[in-house]
Amino acid sequence: DTEVTQTPKHLVMGMTNKKSLKCEQHMGHRAMYWYKQKAKKPPELMFVYSYEKLSINESVPSRFSPECPNSSLLNLHLHALQPEDSALYLCASSQDGRVAGNTIYFGEGSWLTVV
Amino acid sequence: GEDVEQSLFLSVREGDSSVINCTYTDSSSTYLYWYKQEPGAGLQLLTYIFSNMDMKQDQRLTVLLNKKDKHLSLRIADTQTGDSAIYFCAESGATNKLIFGTGTLLAVQP
Repeated sequence: DTEVTQTPKHLVMGMTNKKSLKCEQHMGHRAMYWYKQKAKKPPELMFVYSYEKLSINESVPSRFSPECPNSSLLNLHLHALQPEDSALYLCASSQDGRVAGNTIYFGEGSWLTVV
Repeated sequence: GEDVEQSLFLSVREGDSSVINCTYTDSSSTYLYWYKQEPGAGLQLLTYIFSNMDMKQDQRLTVLLNKKDKHLSLRIADTQTGDSAIYFCAESGATNKLIFGTGTLLAVQP
């Protein structure tokens, strides 16, 4: 099973709402990632968790708050977002936090629209 | 800094070969990857090549690496309409992060 599952597939939220994106993998991977992708652009790294600890935060605004409850789950909590945060949010996982030589598996993404 | 460039668009006819090119700047890149993204979907890893190799073949896919020129290419033989997608090359180097290229939209005409 080489799947990374993301929910919800689509989310529309107001600027004052609080919502969460969820990601799950059952491949025994110990590194999980959040990426943001705008239309017609490559994905941009947001956060990396390695062995359930936050190892990389790419200077992401605090209105995005990641959480890794266990090695299979990764959440992204959203609060007070702006319309420009509308994008495809991709979760990914790999065997461990070393990128070189590791296959990074991506989920199908969650389409977020902020109104 | 690291930079990965690709041409934006490629159009081919069904049955022809497609060649998608990528250039990168980080000479410490250890692995180079090709991902495919279909409309509305996530990224699918197609293949990857270690920097001490110059070629890798996997069924219809052939990856060529010219490390001296920092040039990577992906050849798709017998291109099908299902191959229509955006193709991203990516490299991993000193920063332990995947650095993606700008993406190439491949349009396959029937």
